[in-house]
Amino acid sequence: EAGVVQSPRYKIIEKKQPVAFWCNPISGHNTLYWYLQNLGQGPELLIRYENEEAVDDSQLPKDRFSAERLKGVDSTLKIQPAELGDSAVYLCASSLGGRNEQFFGPGTRLTVL
Amino acid sequence: AQSVTQLDSHVSVSEGTPVLLRCNYSSSYSPSLFWYVQHPNKGLQLLLKYTSAATLVKGINGFEAEFKKSETSFHLTKPSAHMSDAAEYFCVVSDRGGGNKLTFGTGTQLKVEL
Repeated sequence: EAGVVQSPRYKIIEKKQPVAFWCNPISGHNTLYWYLQNLGQGPELLIRYENEEAVDDSQLPKDRFSAERLKGVDSTLKIQPAELGDSAVYLCASSLGGRNEQFFGPGTRLTVL
Repeated sequence: AQSVTQLDSHVSVSEGTPVLLRCNYSSSYSPSLFWYVQHPNKGLQLLLKYTSAATLVKGINGFEAEFKKSETSFHLTKPSAHMSDAAEYFCVVSDRGGGNKLTFGTGTQLKVEL
C-alpha cells in the first residue's frame, strides 16, 4: 500500500517568489494535515482538513499561506510571496478519521534564498 | 494546553548497550502519548503509543516506553541499540479532548557508535 506522497521533495526559490507543495494522502484517509518543521524542531500543525473542510487553520499565517483540498483527496499548500524565514520542511500527514494514527509523508524541504 | 519536554537533544550510545530517551509531558486532559522516529530524508514513523491501557507500551524494533503519571514522564527505552536505530526521535502528546492535535517535542538525535 502506498504511503503519503509529497512533491516536490526539494525546492529552492528566491525570496518573494511563489511556491506550492502537493500532497496525496493514503487512499481512504479523510483527514489531512500540513505541518511545518523548522531545523532542530519538532513539526507544528499548520492546518487540518476533514474531507474538504479546513477544521483547524489557526496556526496558518493567512497573509501569505493558503491551502486547498478541493475534492477531499489531494491537497496543495501555497506560499506567496516566500520569505527567507519560510525555509523549512513541510510535512503532510493523513489519518482515517480525526482520532486515529497519523501517517506522515517524507516532506518537502524548502530553501528560500 | 499541552506540551512535551525532551530532556536531551543528543544521546550517544555504543552498539549493543541500552538506550534511554527521556520525555516529560504536560496536559490538561488525560493524554495520549506517542514516540515517532525520523530517519534522514524519510517520513516520521510511529514507534509506539499510549492511550490509557497498559502503562508499559511495546513498540516496533524492540522499543518500549512506560507511562508514569506521578512523574509525568514517558521515557523511551531499548535493551540493546543497533546501528540502524540512529535517527531523530520525537515525543508527542495529544489531548483526548483536542481533536487529535499532536504537539511534538524538539527531538532527540540518537547516535549509535561501534
